[in-house]
Amino acid sequence: QGQLVQSGAEVKKPGASVKVSCKASGYTFTSYGISWVRQAPGQGLEWMGWINTYNGNTNYAQKLQGRVTMTTDTSTSTVNMELRSLRSDDTAVYYCARVVGALDFWGQGTLVTVSS
Amino acid sequence: EIVMTQSPATLSVSPGERATLSCRASQSVSSDLAWYQQKPGQAPRLLIYGASTRATGIPARFSGSGSGTEFTLTISSLQSEDFAVYYCQHYNNWPPYSFGQGTKLEIK
Repeated sequence: QGQLVQSGAEVKKPGASVKVSCKASGYTFTSYGISWVRQAPGQGLEWMGWINTYNGNTNYAQKLQGRVTMTTDTSTSTVNMELRSLRSDDTAVYYCARVVGALDFWGQGTLVTVSS
Repeated sequence: EIVMTQSPATLSVSPGERATLSCRASQSVSSDLAWYQQKPGQAPRLLIYGASTRATGIPARFSGSGSGTEFTLTISSLQSEDFAVYYCQHYNNWPPYSFGQGTKLEIK
C-alpha cells in the first residue's frame, strides 16, 4: 500500500510564501497524479489543483491562479506546492492525495498558519 | 464548474440505526462520484468510488448508490466509529474537482 508523507507545520507572515512537500512511497510515482486539497479551520474541503507527476503538467483552481505552483521531482518521488502572497484566509491544513479519479489515499496534512 | 450539494448538513442517528446521506450534482457526473469520511484531526479517507464501489478495507455496512445527479451514501447499522463528517466529490470531466460542503453525522 502506498504512502504520502508531508512536510511539517509552517507559520508565515502575510505576504510571504510557503512551500509544502509531499513524498510518495510504495507505488510507481509517475503512474499517478497528485492533487492538493486544503481545509480552513472548521470548514470543508477545497480542491487547489493537480499535477501530472510524469510530465509536470498542472491544472490549478481558478481562485488560486497566479499564486500557486506545483512541481514534481521524480528523482525523489516528491511533489511540492508553493503558495505565494499569503493572506490570513490561507490559514488551513494542506493535504496532498493520490489521484485515481477519486483520491484514494492522502498525506497526513500540513498546517499552514498565516499571522502577523 | 459543477456544484455539489449535500444534505442534510447535520444528521443525528442512534448507534445501530441506518443513516442515509444525500449528494446532488448541478449537472450529470455519470458515476464519477466518491465519498470520503473525515474524523477530527485526521485526513479524509476514501470510502466509495464509482458511486457504488467500496474502497479497500471499507466495511460492507457502507454502500453507495445513484448516478447522474443524485447520489446516496447509506450506513446500514451505525457503529461508534462511524460518527464523523462525510464529503462527496465528483471527478467527471475533471479538473476541477468539486467537493460537497459535508454532512456531519452525530450521535443521537
